[in-house]
Amino acid sequence: DSGVTQTPKHLITATGQRVTLRCSPRSGDLSVYWYQQSLDQGLQFLIQYYNGEERAKGNILERFSAQQFPDLHSELNLSSLELGDSALYFCASSVGLAWETQYFGPGTRLLVL
Amino acid sequence: EDQVTQSPEALRLQEGESSSLNCSYTVSGLRGLFWYRQDPGKGPEFLFTLYSAGEEKEKERLKATLTKKESFLHITAPKPEDSATYLCAVQAPNSGYALNFGKGTSLLVTP
Repeated sequence: DSGVTQTPKHLITATGQRVTLRCSPRSGDLSVYWYQQSLDQGLQFLIQYYNGEERAKGNILERFSAQQFPDLHSELNLSSLELGDSALYFCASSVGLAWETQYFGPGTRLLVL
Repeated sequence: EDQVTQSPEALRLQEGESSSLNCSYTVSGLRGLFWYRQDPGKGPEFLFTLYSAGEEKEKERLKATLTKKESFLHITAPKPEDSATYLCAVQAPNSGYALNFGKGTSLLVTP
């Protein structure tokens, strides 16, 4: 158990809908990262937050957004969902802003029908 | 562009048959190379971090090494419970603090 929690574990929805994925980092960690894992693309970095502020963006679509709250939990919002958004979404956390280990949560499996 | 390539894509070993997984990278200014283990449908589990060429780390039957161009994950006398996908990732200034992952090696160890 990494100490990172994610909810829900599974999500099934329809095209065009909007969903919110939630992540709670390890106790004491200030950085939260979101990654998407699909069969053909592997693990891809989406976005990073540090202590409530956005710090870096990767291959994140404009339909996707995220935020980190004062209690340091983070939410990833996915809107206007398409079939191709079906994937595993992982949250990872680390202590701060440094070249350090990231610990991953169990993931949310999203299926868009 | 920073790239991480893992080989082989898949590997099947008999229990007790040692082997190595390869991770080659082309990054400017490597800050860290990470190995993770991932079981199907689960999140990546941290194994090792290597920071400089020549560094080695061990954990049970696993040993990770790093050179200036590649890293190896050596598996000695593997057991069926070592079956998983092994992921390599790098951190470099071009990608901020995000991890840039390879596509992984899927390892199957048979009794």
